[in-house]
Amino acid sequence: QVTLKESGPGMLQPSKTLSLTCSFSGFSLSTSGMVVSWIRQPSGKSLEWLAAIDWDGDKYYNPSLKSRLTVSKNTSNTQVFLKITSVDIADTATYYCARRPGGPRKGYFDYWGQGVMVTVSS
Amino acid sequence: DIVMTQSPTSMSISVGDRVTMNCKASQNVGSNVDWYQQKTGQSPKLLIYKASNRYTGVPDRFTGSGSGTDFTFTISNMQAEDLAVYYCMQSNSYPWTFGGGTKLELK
Repeated sequence: QVTLKESGPGMLQPSKTLSLTCSFSGFSLSTSGMVVSWIRQPSGKSLEWLAAIDWDGDKYYNPSLKSRLTVSKNTSNTQVFLKITSVDIADTATYYCARRPGGPRKGYFDYWGQGVMVTVSS
Repeated sequence: DIVMTQSPTSMSISVGDRVTMNCKASQNVGSNVDWYQQKTGQSPKLLIYKASNRYTGVPDRFTGSGSGTDFTFTISNMQAEDLAVYYCMQSNSYPWTFGGGTKLELK
């Protein structure tokens, strides 16, 4: 059974660094073609793809945020992390992680986490 | 970035209706478009991948078509449980981008 679950601080102040964790089970990120991605959604708005990391450790970022994003994974390939530096109110959103088997080009997001809500406020 | 423009932004529908929505890409994305359903308070759920392939377990009343820049998503016999926001997404080139969504509401 494939599951993903995001965790994060809930609330943080502007200019701080947001650290998110995606913990998953039922699959391994070491499997060829596997990708885990981060996507966010401000309340009432559409989805925005942020970053991805694949089975080979290759990383992909949304250029609009690239300078602020760092995606990584643990050595046992059961968690993926996302750091966003210098957050501001516009980073307030629900953050999802999602699995994408089949590789970045051929795959699709077949399993999503429940999402974690992050509020940036002073 | 490739802009995915969905239309209409919302639709008032009745159970049993045939529902058609569109997604237009600002550049050729081949068949690299997926469709997701998001119900209130839930995560998105994959319905259609690569423009026209129904994902495992998805009812056959959901269909997708198109290639290049123009894509269509259809619900042939609307059910109450299909009330949701539907998003298209392109993965032909980075950054992957989503449309603004089409919200289905009861008439």
